[in-house]
Amino acid sequence: QVQLQESGPGLVKPSETLSLTCTVSGGSISSYYWSWIRQSPGKGLEWIAYINYSGSTNYNPSLKSRVTISVDTSKNQFSLKLSSVTAADTAVYYCARLRVTMVHGVIMYYFDYWGQGTLVTVSS
Amino acid sequence: QSVLTQPPSVSAAPGQKVTISCSGSSSNLGTNYVSWYQQFPGTAPKLLIYENNKRPSGIPDRFSGSKSGTSATLGITGLQTGDEADYYCGTWDSRLSSGVFGTGTKVTVL
Repeated sequence: QVQLQESGPGLVKPSETLSLTCTVSGGSISSYYWSWIRQSPGKGLEWIAYINYSGSTNYNPSLKSRVTISVDTSKNQFSLKLSSVTAADTAVYYCARLRVTMVHGVIMYYFDYWGQGTLVTVSS
Repeated sequence: QSVLTQPPSVSAAPGQKVTISCSGSSSNLGTNYVSWYQQFPGTAPKLLIYENNKRPSGIPDRFSGSKSGTSATLGITGLQTGDEADYYCGTWDSRLSSGVFGTGTKVTVL
């Protein structure tokens, strides 16, 4: 059974960089896509970015200028960096395994395994 | 901000059926597959439906999904108190080149 676990600081100061790591266990990080999703308090889900085992990435256009996602296959981990954070970036951050393929121009895109989530608060 | 629109809430009595709609556009639901997620308070979302109407192992057949044009529907039959949760649809938006989620729907069992 694949399991994902987020780790990182729970408190980040405004204008600083939020850094989170997701450790994957019960399976290899290779051959799959991996993603970060966040949920502001009382709000809906927002996709942030994805990466595959070879380092191919895609970012939410609304966050692209501030986000970097990376993968370390030797540690079975992938990471998120979000720069210049503000209070609006306060959220529960989830890592998830993404299943994505395109067949005849139709995209299959869904998240089948999720971490438990970690709350990151942006405050001085 | 969400490009997929869901009703804020739906409710029904135990044993009844509820349907949750997810409305999008030609660049997302009109083209690509939809997935659905169930989220209980304080926990991570859980995959309920993928590729419009497929259920992962362990998801009861009380949950069903369908898609037509630019809209999708999640159905829950034989409603149970344990189904009280928030439900989200999700897909890929080919115009935005971005993953997108619905606004979320809270299911209440009366």
